[in-house]
Amino acid sequence: KQEVTQIPAALSVPEGENLVLNCSFTDSAIYNLQWFRQDPGKGLTSLLLIQSSQREQTSGRLNASLDKSSGRSTLYIAASQPGDSATYLCAPQKGGSTLGRLYFGRGTQLTVWP
Amino acid sequence: SAVISQKPSRDICQRGTSLTIQCQVDSQVTMMFWYRQQPGQSLTLIATANQGSEATYESGFVIDKFPISRPNLTFSTLTVSNMSPEDSSIYLCSVVAGAIQETQYFGPGTRLLVL
Repeated sequence: KQEVTQIPAALSVPEGENLVLNCSFTDSAIYNLQWFRQDPGKGLTSLLLIQSSQREQTSGRLNASLDKSSGRSTLYIAASQPGDSATYLCAPQKGGSTLGRLYFGRGTQLTVWP
Repeated sequence: SAVISQKPSRDICQRGTSLTIQCQVDSQVTMMFWYRQQPGQSLTLIATANQGSEATYESGFVIDKFPISRPNLTFSTLTVSNMSPEDSSIYLCSVVAGAIQETQYFGPGTRLLVL
């Protein structure tokens, strides 16, 4: 079974800082990896999806990298804002008959203060 | 993309009772899933809701406790049966959509408190 670890568990920073959130997973035979954010008491919002053949994916101030062979992904947040405060989750996904079955870690709880 | 709604958004229930949660998607999707998020924990997959056949349950989850229906490609229900306080969680449905990217989208969740 896929085990996902996210470091740090929590992060509190002043706005404007550039951030690095780390994700590691034990089974590197993945199809893709998705990053989500979850606001308190809410569902998940998809941020980025990286295919296993890609090394990185960018959306606005977010950039996610993937090193499939070492089982690692990193989410970079540039020029952080208070609105970025949320829990960030990464979820590697296998393909084939197991497509859609995601395994999550505990996430990184981010607080950006003004 | 896919837009997902869930009903109810939250509920408070007495132990021993059952609650059925509905999930509606704005487009036809093949794959639909149910997840649970216990307080302070991350998400755990309960089952895959299969259209036209029985759901596929993950280890630790059984049909008698979490019966699932999937009558068509846009709708599913999850029932939490014979509830106990340990069932207090957020329950989320999700779908895989997008022909190429296969992104997974989540509903807003149903927050359940069992007294």
